Amino acid sequence: DAGITQSPRHKVTETGTPVTLRCHQTENHRYMYWYRQDPGHGLRLIHYSYGVKDTDKGEVSDGYSVSRSKTEDFLLTLESATSSQTSVYFCAISQGGQTQYFGPGTRLLVL
Amino acid sequence: KNQVEQSPQSLIILEGKNCTLQCNYTVSPFSNLRWYKQDTGRGPVSLTIMTFSENTKSNGRYTATLDADTKQSSLHITASQLSDSASYICVVSVGAGNNRKLIWGLGTSLVVNP
Repeated sequence: DAGITQSPRHKVTETGTPVTLRCHQTENHRYMYWYRQDPGHGLRLIHYSYGVKDTDKGEVSDGYSVSRSKTEDFLLTLESATSSQTSVYFCAISQGGQTQYFGPGTRLLVL
Repeated sequence: KNQVEQSPQSLIILEGKNCTLQCNYTVSPFSNLRWYKQDTGRGPVSLTIMTFSENTKSNGRYTATLDADTKQSSLHITASQLSDSASYICVVSVGAGNNRKLIWGLGTSLVVNP
């Protein structure tokens, strides 16, 4: 998985609680992305980062925030989890905006 | 509207057989097209990337074609193996620079049986 780890790999939480997912890379790639993958949908971009403290919204950013204080770490926070945020979340990295390399994913269940 | 459609949705073949997966896209402006393989429970892995001027590109037993005129791409798998069982996703890049966006298909689920 190209030097990308995600934590936790699995999480069950309750509606209304905050959740933070972590993506860590050892490749020193500039770009980092958070996607969600749901049945019936292609991968959908939540947020992305093009450098430390430089982030931007993707197509499904409502209810999510991100932070990138170091090159290697990109955090995704669900401020108040809802059942509609039950999904598999993937982190990806790229250099120069070319091919993206994906992490192993985090399965999140919001009850 | 930018769209990527893949067919078939799912496919079952016997080990050793060949198969072809299709991707049709309606995007503008086209930048490039990628095929990813996603094993169950894992993240997608890039197989090939094709630009506007490329017609064919191979990666081992995988051969991708691109017809920019008809806006179609195919992924041909030769002599399939059990390890080829996965979802194959077509992704089209639209725009350039800071305006670049990826349009993901829903994937074709391939099962290779012994």
